[in-house]
Amino acid sequence: QKEVEQNSGPLSVPEGAIASLNCTYSDRGSQSFFWYRQYSGKSPELIMSIYSNGDKEDGRFTAQLNKASQYVSLLIRDSQPSDSATYLCAVKDSNYQLIWGAGTKLIIKP
Amino acid sequence: NAGVMQNPRHLVRRRGQEARLRCSPMKGHSHVYWYRQLPEEGLKFMVYLQKENIIDESGMPKERFSAEFPKEGPSILRIQQVVRGDSAAYFCASSPPGAQGNQPQHFGDGTRLSIL
Repeated sequence: QKEVEQNSGPLSVPEGAIASLNCTYSDRGSQSFFWYRQYSGKSPELIMSIYSNGDKEDGRFTAQLNKASQYVSLLIRDSQPSDSATYLCAVKDSNYQLIWGAGTKLIIKP
Repeated sequence: NAGVMQNPRHLVRRRGQEARLRCSPMKGHSHVYWYRQLPEEGLKFMVYLQKENIIDESGMPKERFSAEFPKEGPSILRIQQVVRGDSAAYFCASSPPGAQGNQPQHFGDGTRLSIL
């Protein structure tokens, strides 16, 4: 069964530091990778998408993809308390199905 | 606002009643996905529809649950004879046509279903 694994956390990071969120996936044929942020009681919100190996930066967010090692990560620089949320990794597998991780709860401590 | 629209935002039903949840995709999107989420748990895929077709219903319970996406109008998730365990947040997401490859899904605000 195809899987997307995330550490459930909570991951506690001091304000201003770099938060690093990791995700591994089992289907080597996966092509598209997405990070969503979900605040408590709210719907998931797309943060980043990445399709090729390497880094993709958008403001304070950087997504990193390593297809050989089958992992994708999200870095948040200069973490703010407002970044406290659950971060969901989603991977579109070789059958074009979107497989979701269970999410990592991130807490930014002032 | 051209986002994914779900209604109602909150729905209260008594055990045994029917619940109907509606979802209008983003403009230009023809793929609709329904998810269920229990408190403090992850998203659970239920069903993937395109206009007038169910593409993947592997996450749908075999009984009481059905979904449709008619040619005209919103997608409907229908739960018959609701039970307490159906209480959850139900999210709808949409993506553009030809989106098998790379297009992300965009989510509505969800419907919070409470069963008394």
